Amino acid sequence: GDSVTQMEGPVTLSEEAFLTINCTYTATGYPSLFWYVQYPGEGLQLLLKATKADDKGSNKGFEATYRKETTSFHLEKGSVQVSDSAVYFCALSGSTGFQKLVFGTGTRLLVSP
Amino acid sequence: GAVVSQHPSWVICKSGTSVKIECRSLDFQATTMFWYRQFPKQSLMLMATSNEGSKATYEQGVEKDKFLINHASLTLSTLTVTSAHPEDSSFYICSVQPGQGFEKLFFGSGTQLSVL
Repeated sequence: GDSVTQMEGPVTLSEEAFLTINCTYTATGYPSLFWYVQYPGEGLQLLLKATKADDKGSNKGFEATYRKETTSFHLEKGSVQVSDSAVYFCALSGSTGFQKLVFGTGTRLLVSP
Repeated sequence: GAVVSQHPSWVICKSGTSVKIECRSLDFQATTMFWYRQFPKQSLMLMATSNEGSKATYEQGVEKDKFLINHASLTLSTLTVTSAHPEDSSFYICSVQPGQGFEKLFFGSGTQLSVL
């Protein structure tokens, strides 16, 4: 079945450092790919998405490119801030229907001043 | 502010008791709500899809008699873990989909359940 694998955390960075959180997937068909973010005490929020190969999703300085050849959707940001500290979830839309999201384990990011 | 309110945030209960988790849609009516759970170091997994006024649809491997879902109104869905056991200890999250597409998917802040 469909699955998402993302790097274990926590990822600990200093402010203004470069961020990469790896995400790879296994799916039949052509899923859409997503990154969700969960800030402390809040619900998951959609951060960005890409719906087809080579699409780049971007939001709030974060970017991720849908790489079909490597089945990856790595999240990057050039300069992180303390306010980016959160848990990041990679997800894909299930091949059985758009309503089913398949998530990874989540990666906690801690940014220190 | 929060679009989806989920309560309680965390709960500790004794083995054999039942626990109810509420998920409220604050800003809109939602015919569909989803329940997820996440065991430690595992993926967030869909448990069931809750449809207002009808029976919930459970994912494979989820016991429908153990995880009772009630979606009696367009703004409230409840998940009751009946006769909870330590292996039910997990993080439970609800989500609400008032419209089409994943941009319209809103999540609660989650409930951490610990069964002693």
